[in-house]
This record gives sequence, structure tokens and C-alpha cells, in this order.
Amino acid sequence: GAVVSQHPSWVICKSGTSVKIECRSLDFQATTMFWYRQFPKQSLMLMATSNEGSKATYEQGVEKDKFLINHASLTLSTLTVTSAHPEDSSFYICSARVGQTLHEQYFGPGTRLTVT
Amino acid sequence: QQQVKQSPQSLIVQKGGISIINCAYENTAFDYFPWYQQFPGKGPALLIAIRPDVSEKKEGRFTISFNKSAKQFSLHIMDSQPGDSATYFCAASKTSGSRLTFGEGTQLTVNP
Repeated sequence: GAVVSQHPSWVICKSGTSVKIECRSLDFQATTMFWYRQFPKQSLMLMATSNEGSKATYEQGVEKDKFLINHASLTLSTLTVTSAHPEDSSFYICSARVGQTLHEQYFGPGTRLTVT
Repeated sequence: QQQVKQSPQSLIVQKGGISIINCAYENTAFDYFPWYQQFPGKGPALLIAIRPDVSEKKEGRFTISFNKSAKQFSLHIMDSQPGDSATYFCAASKTSGSRLTFGEGTQLTVNP
């Protein structure tokens, strides 16, 4: 099956610093990647949709300047949390869509971000 | 209209029993309905998915039943095992778009 990796799997940073999370599709090309945020015992909340070579589309209420998304290649998308605050602590998960017409989305293992 | 409602919130089943999780949607434009399994600290894994042109799809112990007129679909896990203990999410999306709308999740516990 399609494999999506994320790096790092967990990160601790201090308030005010920035942290970058990478999402890679390992065995397929992903024209579209998605970034989600998940709080404990809650569902996945879509933050943004990322298309290769174009600007990401952010969901309502998600700060574009705070959560910078770059989809520079067909296998890599990055999420940078800028000027992190403790309330940004969460589980961030990316997913990648296989192909243009298929709807299957495969998820990465997630990144646990803790801001102190 | 974008909501997907999932029930129950939590479910406890004995080993060997049948686990049933239900979802209902409002948007009739949805035409792709996947189920995901998520273990603690891990990303969701695609289990099985169905399109509205069929009423049932079975893969191993997992079966999706789909009722288009009622706008409902369900996941049945036959011969439930302790290793099936996880959180299950239903989701839906449209052909014209690719974003998934997720249900609230069901925490399944299978007792040995």
C-alpha cells in the first residue's frame, strides 16, 4: 500500500520558536497533501490542503502566517509552525491522496508537538 | 450539510463478538465513504471504503453496509479481537473535491 512518512515523530520546542514538520510520500507521487490537527480523544481537524507547486488552501480559522505550508515536490510537503505557543501543542498528521481521480487518502504516523 | 455523525462514542465488545459502528451523513453529494482505524499515538490507517453504487463491501472480517436512501453507513467487525481495540473514524467526500469530512470517532475496546 501507499506509505506516508512524517518527521519528526515528536518534537519539543520553546515558546516563540518555529518548528518544521516534513511529510513524504515514499512510494507514490502525491499531487495533493493534507494537514490535520488532532486533540486528545477528538476527531481530525483539517487545517489545509496542499497542492504541489501552488499555494495551500487553508480552512476557515487557521492562521496562514502561523502555519506555513510548502509543497515543493510531488513527494514532500512541509508544515512550519511559526512563533509557537503552548496552545499549538497538538498531534499533527499529514495525508496524501493517491492520484488525481482516486479518493484514497493515506495518512502519516503523525507528529506530536509540545511547546513549553 | 457537511457533517458526518458517528455513533456510538465508545463500544465494548467481548472477544469473538460483532462490533457495529454507525454513521449518518447529510450531504447527498458525498460519494466516497472510507473507514479509518487509529491506534494511540499513530496516524489513521485506511481500513475499507465504499461507494454508493453498492450496498455492501466485505474485506476479511470488516464489512461496510451502505443505505443510500437513509444516508447511513456502518462498519461491522466480525469475530472481534483484542487487537482490534482502537479508535475508528468514518468519513465521506465528494467526487468533485478531495477533502474528507470525518465523524467524531468511536473508541472500541475488545475484551479478551
